[in-house]
Amino acid sequence: GENVEQHPSTLSVQEGDSAVIKCTYSDSASNYFPWYKQELGKGPQLIIDIRSNVGEKKDQRIAVTLNKTAKHFSLHITETQPEDSAVYFCAASMRPGTASKLTFGTGTRLQVTL
Amino acid sequence: DGGITQSPKYLFRKEGQNVTLSCEQNLNHDAMYWYRQDPGQGLRLIYYSQIVNDFQKGDIAEGYSVSREKKESFPLTVTSAQKNPTAFYLCASSIFETGRNEQFFGPGTRLTVL
Repeated sequence: GENVEQHPSTLSVQEGDSAVIKCTYSDSASNYFPWYKQELGKGPQLIIDIRSNVGEKKDQRIAVTLNKTAKHFSLHITETQPEDSAVYFCAASMRPGTASKLTFGTGTRLQVTL
Repeated sequence: DGGITQSPKYLFRKEGQNVTLSCEQNLNHDAMYWYRQDPGQGLRLIYYSQIVNDFQKGDIAEGYSVSREKKESFPLTVTSAQKNPTAFYLCASSIFETGRNEQFFGPGTRLTVL
């Protein structure tokens, strides 16, 4: 089955700096890669996703890049703000368009300090 | 207001008791999922359902059971056979869309076995 590894497990940055979180996946058949943000005591919320036919996607301060050859994808947050502090999860999925399983990474706790 | 509701938010049970966690969605989504989240780990899939009266085991189904009698509802029963049930349980739903599997999460139920 699919295996997703995520690094780092914790990340501390100063407000205004950039943050990068990296994930690798094992199954070359995976073709959908979402990123979720989870605040304390709440359910995860989708912040951005990318399909395998796209190399990069950007939404305001958040961007995701995908390298299918190397089987890794990354989340980039620019101009970080205190409200970006949360746990971020990457995930990978096969078989889009069905109730396919999302395999999650182990999460990155991002702390943005003033 | 569309969304996913889970109840209760906190749940306590004694060892040897079965307990049922509720999950309801009014998003008209076809698929529903149950995940378990433990500290320092990603989300792990327990069960999922693509349509009413149909469900499949996820990666950690042992000790759990589900039903899908209505499109809106997907309750999870944690049985006494689950050896380590204390965890944060998340319900999600998704709509089929080519190329994506965007899952929307509920707020979660924290189960503690005393």
